[in-house]
Amino acid sequence: GAVVSQHPSWVICKSGTSVKIECRSLDFQATTMFWYRQFPKQSLMLMATSNEGSKATYEQGVEKDKFLINHASLTLSTLTVTSAHPEDSSFYICSASRGQNTEAFFGQGTRLTVV
Amino acid sequence: QKEVEQNSGPLSVPEGAIASLNCTYSDRGSQSFFWYRQYSGKSPELIMSIYSNGDKEDGRFTAQLNKASQYVSLLIRDSQPSDSATYLCAVVNSGTYKYIFGTGTRLKVLA
Repeated sequence: GAVVSQHPSWVICKSGTSVKIECRSLDFQATTMFWYRQFPKQSLMLMATSNEGSKATYEQGVEKDKFLINHASLTLSTLTVTSAHPEDSSFYICSASRGQNTEAFFGQGTRLTVV
Repeated sequence: QKEVEQNSGPLSVPEGAIASLNCTYSDRGSQSFFWYRQYSGKSPELIMSIYSNGDKEDGRFTAQLNKASQYVSLLIRDSQPSDSATYLCAVVNSGTYKYIFGTGTRLKVLA
């Protein structure tokens, strides 16, 4: 399978600060990347879909000004959680696919704790 | 009706038995179907993809697809305790191309 690397794997930040999470496809070009969050014992919740070179499409209820997504190249997408608060603490996971209807591969996930 | 439905489990099977995991979906136009395994505290890992009706085998895993019945299943032969995890069914929406995940079935393989 293809490799998707997500960094950092965990981060602790103070309330009010911003955190950037990187998602890289290491051995393929990802035309589409997806960002999810997952709370303990709950299912994946899609936050946004990003296509290389265009603006991300956010799911209903996800604040685009709070969760900034950039997909600047075919191998890199970033999620920035701005002005983080304790309720933003969660497991954030990216996935990447070569194109529509193809397999999507997940990064290792980033566990964010806001204190 | 949810777009992708799975029984949450837990499904308990003895070591060496066959585990059968099921998934139904609502989008008749979907063309791509996937099974992921997620261990507690980890991200999902792709196990199988299936695009055509019938069976697809890979090692101990067999995926089965029936588009007429809108049904996907995953069989795990010779189940091992290390197979204990949550199994997620994913279906690509034919209109948005988003991956729609079921809530997952928790599998426990008893040693």
